[in-house]
Amino acid sequence: DAGVTQSPTHLIKTRGQHVTLRCSPISGHKSVSWYQQVLGQGPQFIFQYYEKEERGRGNFPDRFSARQFPNYSSELNVNALLLGDSALYLCASSFRETAYNEQFFGPGTRLTVL
Amino acid sequence: AQKVTQAQTEISVVEKEDVTLDCVYETRDTTYYLFWYKQPPSGELVFLIRRNSFDEQNEISGRYSWNFQKSTSSFNFTITASQVVDSAVYFCALSEARGSGGYQKVTFGTGTKLQVIP
Repeated sequence: DAGVTQSPTHLIKTRGQHVTLRCSPISGHKSVSWYQQVLGQGPQFIFQYYEKEERGRGNFPDRFSARQFPNYSSELNVNALLLGDSALYLCASSFRETAYNEQFFGPGTRLTVL
Repeated sequence: AQKVTQAQTEISVVEKEDVTLDCVYETRDTTYYLFWYKQPPSGELVFLIRRNSFDEQNEISGRYSWNFQKSTSSFNFTITASQVVDSAVYFCALSEARGSGGYQKVTFGTGTKLQVIP
């Protein structure tokens, strides 16, 4: 069975640009969460989507947005990129949205902002 | 607010030694879940274990064991007879139940980098 997939693997952008990251969950999983992992830190929660609705949002500015599609895949969008947005962006899927469910993580998208 | 503390930033052990990774958490919820994840150099987080707040039984899985103590808000992870393949960053995480409209706001610790030397 395919795991969580993310694209692209690596991305280099310049300040002020916009970026879209993509995630495909494990088949049958309806919840997708996004995390930002800055080098040397643990992942920080950005969003959770379940059944195409936003169910949770972390402490990130409005430049960060996301959506989930009918096939449960998801996009994370970041506008007006800052140098501090450079990080590994992880997508995680789970069967349900509740706290009990373990999350399965993708390999991440490494974003570098110059 | 929930918080997870992993005080050990980096640990180095010689192969076959036992090693314990510490995790201390803070939460005001009575229902919560604790997780351990492994992040090898490839970057992909790998789920290791889940424990709910009502189950304080220790668990053993092969060379891995976990000690959950609510009295000290700790959820420590021990690797017995460490191997080079255990080298990775290990994260402890806390997820709080948020009622009927609950969602998974998972808080991760800063991680412990384990290096097993052959």
